Parts: sequence; structure tokens; C-alpha cells
Amino acid sequence: AQSVTQLGSHVSVSEGALVLLRCNYSSSVPPYLFWYVQYPNQGLQLLLKYTSAATLVKGINGFEAEFKKSETSFHLTKPSAHMSDAAEYFCAVRYFQGAQKLVFGQGTRLTINP
Amino acid sequence: AAGVIQSPRHLIKEKRETATLKCYPIPRHDTVYWYQQGPGQDPQFLISFYEKMQSDKGSIPDRFSAQQFSDYHSELNMSSLELGDSALYFCASSLGFRNEQFFGPGTRLTVL
Repeated sequence: AQSVTQLGSHVSVSEGALVLLRCNYSSSVPPYLFWYVQYPNQGLQLLLKYTSAATLVKGINGFEAEFKKSETSFHLTKPSAHMSDAAEYFCAVRYFQGAQKLVFGQGTRLTINP
Repeated sequence: AAGVIQSPRHLIKEKRETATLKCYPIPRHDTVYWYQQGPGQDPQFLISFYEKMQSDKGSIPDRFSAQQFSDYHSELNMSSLELGDSALYFCASSLGFRNEQFFGPGTRLTVL
């Protein structure tokens, strides 16, 4: 079954520190991969996406992610955390073979400490 | 830029009542998706429509039905509501069913 796993339901970092949110997918065929952010009581906002072009993808708000086929990973990073980055982050996958739906990971709640 | 519009934003219903959620996609988008996000959970795909035809189906209960109309807006009809139906319901739209999905702000349904 198609799935995506996010390691760590809660991540806490200090303001200015590196942010690393982990995502692994299960598939022998590289899918489309996405990172979404959800602020409290709001909808899902697309941060970035991988669609088989460049393996290093840059998104909004200074986030980027690197697709590593050998590790089936798509980890999200940001060099320097800001207080406004505190939110829930979801990794999602969509496969080529006719599937349209997004399959989401369990989400990672990012907390920024002053 | 225009975004996905969902109405109502909040809805409170009693058990066994019915509810209708509406979704207005971004202009020119022909594909609509519905997702359900329970408290503290990740969004789960319910159903999608492409050019007014159902295109994919996920874990949507038989008590729920949905359709896409000629103007591409979609409605999710929920009957015999249960406490467990309390969730945030997202609609997303895309241009073509293989392109990026843009999410609406969601409808928060509370069943008492």
C-alpha cells in the first residue's frame, strides 16, 4: 500500500537553529512528493513539491527539501528557524499510476523556542 | 489570486441530522477533491471528481455522497451524522487531475 512516514510527531528547535523534518515514502517508483504546512485552525498551504525534476527543491518561507531515491526520503529543512514557523507540517505523496489522491503522513508539530 | 472557497466555515449539527458542505474551486479548475481531517489526525482522502464525473474514491462512508455540478462546484452531502464525523473537511481543486492541488480553508463540522 502507498504510504508516507514522518519520523517524529513533535519537533522542537530554538529560534535560529536548523529545522529538519523527516519524511520517507514507500514505493519502488518515485512518486510526486509534497510538503504542506497547516497553521492552527487554517487550511493546508503548499510549501514545496517534487515532480521528478531537480532533486533539491526550494519552497516558500526559506524551506527546501531534497529527494533521495536511494533512501526513499524527502526531508524538509530550513537553515534558521523563525518563531512564525511554528505549525503542523505534513508530507504527502501522489503516485503516477493513475492515482489522484494525496496520501498524507501523520504530521509533525514544529515548536520554536525563543 | 482567487482561492478555493468553502462554505460554511463552521457547522454544528445534532446526531442523525444531515449536512451539506460546498466547495467552489479556483476558476478554470476542473477537478475537485474532498478530504477529512479528524482531531489530531492527518487528512484522509474521501472522493474526487474530474469534469463532473467521480474519478477516485477513498474511505468515504456510504452515508456520504458528493457530486460536481456543471459550474464545477462540488457538494458533499452527509446524512445520519455521527459523533465521529466531527472533523475538518477540506476541499482542494486542480487543473486536470494530475496537477497541483490547492486547498480551501476547510469546513469545521461539529456533531453534538
